[in-house]
Amino acid sequence: DVKVTQSSRYLVKRTGEKVFLECVQDMDHENMFWYRQDPGLGLRLIYFSYDVKMKEKGDIPEGYSVSREKKERFSLILESASTNQTSMYLCASSVMEAYNEQFFGPGTRLTVL
Amino acid sequence: KNQVEQSPQSLIILEGKNCTLQCNYTVSPFSNLRWYKQDTGRGPVSLTIMTFSENTKSNGRYTATLDADTKQSSLHITASQLSDSASYICVVSEISGTYKYIFGTGTRLKVLA
Repeated sequence: DVKVTQSSRYLVKRTGEKVFLECVQDMDHENMFWYRQDPGLGLRLIYFSYDVKMKEKGDIPEGYSVSREKKERFSLILESASTNQTSMYLCASSVMEAYNEQFFGPGTRLTVL
Repeated sequence: KNQVEQSPQSLIILEGKNCTLQCNYTVSPFSNLRWYKQDTGRGPVSLTIMTFSENTKSNGRYTATLDADTKQSSLHITASQLSDSASYICVVSEISGTYKYIFGTGTRLKVLA
């Protein structure tokens, strides 16, 4: 079974802190994604990566950056956390071909105080 | 603008009853449509995937239908169980091979004993 893991289930940070969210997948998937999920809104894409060191901005990249140094690992970075970044963050991976089904991690619920 | 709308927003049913969730989309060109189940505090898990040429797909007690002409899909749950309590998310992708997934806001289902 595909497994996507995220470094933390719950995280509490203070405004202005630098925050790292880590995601690891074990199925050699080319694509990896970072989303945030807020009540009443669908999942919104922050960043996408289709290969090592490659990244593309999603719909809401402001305030975020990403890093993909290895194929299995995709990191989301909040350079200076703000309260409006309090959210559930979901990582996903998928193969490049076929139906492009996404496999999601369990999520990290981040609270910025 | 490509959109995916789901109805109802929330639904409460008694255990053993059937229910149907709706998904309307305006995504074009359309590649495929997925239904995901998301338990509280967890990442979404795929239930069904359908391309534009398929009009029915089943996964146990879950049956998804698709009418590509009217751009409507439904997810029918038969003989509901307490474990069906979750959010159900409809996701439409524009064209195969891209990362462009459009997420609905989900239907929150509560099954009562």
